[in-house]
Amino acid sequence: RKEVEQDPGPFNVPEGATVAFNCTYSNSASQSFFWYRQDCRKEPKLLMSVYSSGNEDGRFTAQLNRASQYISLLIRDSKLSDSATYLCVVTSGSARQLTFGSGTQLTVLP
Amino acid sequence: DTAVSQTPKYLVTQMGNDKSIKCEQNLGHDTMYWYKQDSKKFLKIMFSYNNKELIINETVPNRFSPKSPDKAHLNLHINSLELGDSAVYFCASSQEVGVWETQYFGPGTRLLVL
Repeated sequence: RKEVEQDPGPFNVPEGATVAFNCTYSNSASQSFFWYRQDCRKEPKLLMSVYSSGNEDGRFTAQLNRASQYISLLIRDSKLSDSATYLCVVTSGSARQLTFGSGTQLTVLP
Repeated sequence: DTAVSQTPKYLVTQMGNDKSIKCEQNLGHDTMYWYKQDSKKFLKIMFSYNNKELIINETVPNRFSPKSPDKAHLNLHINSLELGDSAVYFCASSQEVGVWETQYFGPGTRLLVL
């Protein structure tokens, strides 16, 4: 079983749609959680951290369920510029090692 | 100003050759990393250095050798390149080794071994 598993995708949605991505992680000792975004042929960039109480950043809402070892990302009012691969990331170990999911590809269509 | 830079951006080489990839960060961070992203886009940690000390050394062939001459630089040397080494290699840095530290990635080096 992979340490971090994500929806396989791809997701193709129209502009303005709401889309949700899910992620599960296997290490119950994972310490912190993130969503990174990677545009085509570019480097990953932090989108947002995911806190236990859930958090929101504009159109983006992230949720964490430690009991179920589940992380989600909700994007409301999708824009063309949201088209990218979304990477679920967890941290574990004394070296705070990041473990990445394989990513979910989102294409927002005009 | 480029925060994390890598050279070269593209590298095409023959099997059996030795090559190096260089990484520099001007963010004043203490921790640097090398990741490999394979053809299936799976991003995996290879090495991490904190204040020039190796703290993560994942199971990678010993043909891969990182070297950190100072906190701002982390280079990756690869000996006897193999076809399976073809991938995108990303360097990254973070302020320190912390639970909520953001990692900043370089633009990547696309390595193709023929």
